[in-house]
Amino acid sequence: DIQMTQSPSSLSASVGDRVTITCRASQSINNYLNWYQQKPGKAPKLLIYSASSFQSGVPSRFSGSGSGTDFTLTISGLQPEDFATYSCQQSYITPHTFGQGTKLDIK
Amino acid sequence: EVQLVESGGGLVQPGGSLRLSCAASGFTLRSYEMNWVRQAPGKGLEWVSGISSSGSSTYYADSVKGRFIISRDSAKNSLYLQMNSLRAEDTALYHCASLNYFDGSGYPAFDIWGQGTLVTVSS
Repeated sequence: DIQMTQSPSSLSASVGDRVTITCRASQSINNYLNWYQQKPGKAPKLLIYSASSFQSGVPSRFSGSGSGTDFTLTISGLQPEDFATYSCQQSYITPHTFGQGTKLDIK
Repeated sequence: EVQLVESGGGLVQPGGSLRLSCAASGFTLRSYEMNWVRQAPGKGLEWVSGISSSGSSTYYADSVKGRFIISRDSAKNSLYLQMNSLRAEDTALYHCASLNYFDGSGYPAFDIWGQGTLVTVSS
């Protein structure tokens, strides 16, 4: 199975900050990389697919980049509703494995 | 509103069984490949099982193969997960999720998720 490693595991930031989360695959996955947002008690939400394409309704302050093995999710201008856990997932080879998640909380 | 709602979780002893259900509303499940994804306490998301839109093909993570069975009922617009021989390590919040292919069948991603149902395996 392809291993997905996120860093950092947790991150503290303030409203208005710019933050970047990194996801690394154990082998090349081209750009088959998805990002999800999770909040306690809520259904996970797809933010980005194919590394950089927005799911409908996702604010433009979210952006994704990368190809091959290294990917990033950037949130520019954090809003209160953005404090959540973010997970990457490769969809290149089954099983479509996830990273361990990055918890973003308020500083 | 498009949504998935899971049910059937609970406390079960090691070696026991549970059947999870996932009911869809606002869309037709049979159009999608459906999946179960779980999250153990303090851990990341883990794909568990998937079933093709027709129901003819099923897929399992190695960790549950031979113990779990995924199925679907188009008439009830529902997805199921029969979990047998449960172990402590199966303790998790179980989500159902639909797999969509974006950009003309190019890029698969789970685009509709339920809130999950909690399974606790403990004596």
